[in-house]
Amino acid sequence: NAGVIQTPRHKVTGKGQEATLWCEPISGHSAVFWYRQTIVQGLEFLTYFRNQAPIDDSGMPKERFSAQMPNQSHSTLKIQSTQPQDSAVYLCASSSGQGTGQLYFGEGSKLTVL
Amino acid sequence: QQQVRQSPQSLTVWEGETAILNCSYENSAFDYFPWYQQFPGEGPALLIAIRSVSDKKEDGGFTIFFNKREKNLSLHIKDSQPGDSATYFCAASLGNNRIFFGDGTQLVVKP
Repeated sequence: NAGVIQTPRHKVTGKGQEATLWCEPISGHSAVFWYRQTIVQGLEFLTYFRNQAPIDDSGMPKERFSAQMPNQSHSTLKIQSTQPQDSAVYLCASSSGQGTGQLYFGEGSKLTVL
Repeated sequence: QQQVRQSPQSLTVWEGETAILNCSYENSAFDYFPWYQQFPGEGPALLIAIRSVSDKKEDGGFTIFFNKREKNLSLHIKDSQPGDSATYFCAASLGNNRIFFGDGTQLVVKP
């Protein structure tokens, strides 16, 4: 049973370029979460979906960041006009949505903006 | 306002000692408290969790002590091993909603 799959594992972009990160949740899981992790800020919640519907995007920067979940097998996080401060590890997690609160994390996508 | 706080930020213990990691939370309605363990280059992984109806949960050498009245909990790692060196995140949630994470405690176990 594969875990949460995130691609790419590493991405380097130039300032001002766009970055798209993909997440494939565990099959059958109904909730998908996105977090950003840096040494300074720690684990920051960005957004989450339940049954593909956006539920809470309160952690998403208002500009340049967007997330979608077009089908139950994948979600994307897009960052437009990337800036050096966007450099971080972006973590995707899924859960069964049964109320246990147990998240299964992927290994993360490390974004470096030069 | 940070919902979950952890202390210490970093902790070093000797092999065989018990490491104690502390956590407190703001929302008295939180009812589920997982601890996640993260190794470098990996995502966090669930280690052990407790529900607010319990005051203690054990799993192998890991024990959570929970104090609902004081809104705090602690993770005890008994007989710590170098392989336990990792970052530990305390988290809290209510029902089927988002999970709030603390800033983590970086544990180093020296041989």
